[in-house]
Amino acid sequence: DQQVKQNSPSLSVQEGRISILNCDYTNSMFDYFLWYKKYPAEGPTFLISISSIKDKNEDGRFTVFLNKSAKHLSLHIVPSQPGDSAVYFCAASRNSGNTPLVFGKGTRLSVIA
Amino acid sequence: DAGVTQSPTHLIKTRGQQVTLRCSPKSGHDTVSWYQQALGQGPQFIFQYYEEEERQRGNFPDRFSGHQFPNYSSELNVNALLLGDSALYLCASSLEAQWTEAFFGQGTRLTVV
Repeated sequence: DQQVKQNSPSLSVQEGRISILNCDYTNSMFDYFLWYKKYPAEGPTFLISISSIKDKNEDGRFTVFLNKSAKHLSLHIVPSQPGDSAVYFCAASRNSGNTPLVFGKGTRLSVIA
Repeated sequence: DAGVTQSPTHLIKTRGQQVTLRCSPKSGHDTVSWYQQALGQGPQFIFQYYEEEERQRGNFPDRFSGHQFPNYSSELNVNALLLGDSALYLCASSLEAQWTEAFFGQGTRLTVV
């Protein structure tokens, strides 16, 4: 039972354009969401998070949008850079982030120069 | 700051054998969580150690056990290895049993043959 779903295994984007990575969840008890980036041979690194009391959080080139009614969140990267090429994981937690993280399967982003 | 370090980086074991993986948390962190990432999947929570005790456990059999030492480092032990235990094992450290402020190590790639 996949509670956090990333339905696009891969995404290719031209350098300078917007990258949009999507994530859906099924458990309505999730109230804290995170995005992690993972390069080969490295562990996941935290990118950005959002609490369910917000619908948008921005950090530089990265913005996360949350649509609670649709149980959907997205990560926007603008402008995309070749160094952004990595696997992006969406993760969710309950109780304001006080429960184990539940991860999606990841989306591999390739930014083409 | 060395960050989270895991050893070994790669390991090959035979079915039925036992394995021990090690993790040193980021300086100042007192909590260690272990995750299993199978090929093509997102990380899946195994358990978390805080104050030398298992605080929470995911849906993994008793063959998976762990330990935390007074210096906060941790071990993950897997007994009676199965082919399906082949995966990347990630350790994440955090402060005071938090989930969302975790830093991940680079992982140990375990192959069971």
